[in-house]
Amino acid sequence: EVQLVQSGAEVKKPGESLKISCKGSGYSFSTYWIGWVRQMPGKGLEWMGIIYPGDSDTRYSPSFQGQVTISADKSINTAYLQWSSLKASDTAMYYCVRHAIMGATGSYFDYWGQGTLVTVSS
Amino acid sequence: DIQMTQSPSSLSASVGGRVIITCRASQGISNYLAWYQQKPGKVPKLLIYAASTLQSGVPSRFSGSGSGTDFTLTISSLQPEDVATYFCQKYNSAPITFGQGTRLEI
Repeated sequence: EVQLVQSGAEVKKPGESLKISCKGSGYSFSTYWIGWVRQMPGKGLEWMGIIYPGDSDTRYSPSFQGQVTISADKSINTAYLQWSSLKASDTAMYYCVRHAIMGATGSYFDYWGQGTLVTVSS
Repeated sequence: DIQMTQSPSSLSASVGGRVIITCRASQGISNYLAWYQQKPGKVPKLLIYAASTLQSGVPSRFSGSGSGTDFTLTISSLQPEDVATYFCQKYNSAPITFGQGTRLEI
């Protein structure tokens, strides 16, 4: 059974750093792109970027380029989303997703993590 | 970047009724269009991909159509459990973009 299991909710202060994780299981983690999707409170879905765990090739949405870092460790089937200096506007639910089409940068998402709620408040 | 525009933003329909949600792309995307359902407080769920292919396990009352720039999601007989927000997504190339969502109420 394919699963994406994300790390737990976080409460941080502005300016702090954070790294959240997404562990895949039940499939060949290295051969499917993993993406991150942001959902701010009461708002829609925003694609942030993707990573190919096999070689760590990474693509970012222009809206998030330079704001976050996406990485992966294929040895432990885990992808990460990282901030160096959080802002209050980063408060949101973050989902990791698996690209359904193996090896394709453009794909719909067939599996979603359960979401990680990040709250940034002083 | 290609923009995705959904309409309406919200709608209310009766149980058993037919619901149509539309999604328009600012440029042609062939059939690289997916639909997701997000129930309140839940994770989004894939309903349809390639504009009209039903994901395994999704009830047959859901259907999708369209190609190029204009797409529709149809619920043929609305059920109470269909209360949710529906999002379209284009995925022909990065950046992947979503429509703003359509909130469906009974």
